[in-house]
Amino acid sequence: DQQVKQNSPSLSVQEGRISILNCDYTNSMFDYFLWYKKYPAEGPTFLISISSIKDKNEDGRFTVFLNKSAKHLSLHIVPSQPGDSAVYFCAATSGTYKYIFGTGTRLKVLA
Amino acid sequence: EPEVTQTPSHQVTQMGQEVILRCVPISNHLYFYWYRQILGQKVEFLVSFYNNEISEKSEIFDDQFSVERPDGSNFTLKIRSTKLEDSAMYFCASSESPGVVGSYEQYFGPGTRLTVT
Repeated sequence: DQQVKQNSPSLSVQEGRISILNCDYTNSMFDYFLWYKKYPAEGPTFLISISSIKDKNEDGRFTVFLNKSAKHLSLHIVPSQPGDSAVYFCAATSGTYKYIFGTGTRLKVLA
Repeated sequence: EPEVTQTPSHQVTQMGQEVILRCVPISNHLYFYWYRQILGQKVEFLVSFYNNEISEKSEIFDDQFSVERPDGSNFTLKIRSTKLEDSAMYFCASSESPGVVGSYEQYFGPGTRLTVT
């Protein structure tokens, strides 16, 4: 039951360039989406979120785009830094406190 | 900065034994959660807890699992009779009350690695 999918298990980007992480979902009832970053041996850390009534939310170097018709969201990191190297998870909820996570994308930013 | 803490960091137990994983959520948060991550797999929702009762639970959270807030600060996950497939990282998380702007964001603890032998 993969309601939230991250089809790219890994991504490598040069330092200073843009990183684009993608996430697709199947449940049209989802109305709030979140991105988390996870380092090894640590818990996920909240990065940025977006409500379904918006199509873009920006916070510093991080921007999340939501395309509801395509059931697709993306996280843009610009400029990418070596410290951004981590596993990134998208998550979704449908107005409840049950969150469905994607499988994660491992980002490696090359110096 | 306030943070979610979890103990122990690593728990080894024999199959069939009971384990209790402990969490101290952020003090002004009212929603609490448990997740697990089997090695190399995705983070899976187990249960959410509010006002001393379960709000939501997943199919994974069967009768072998229970949660409790025994006092004003701790939040525990009990697995009654552990199985080999319960081996995973267990993460506790907390969030603010609904109705607060941005209250859907959850803050995770560092996790407890449970190894069932």
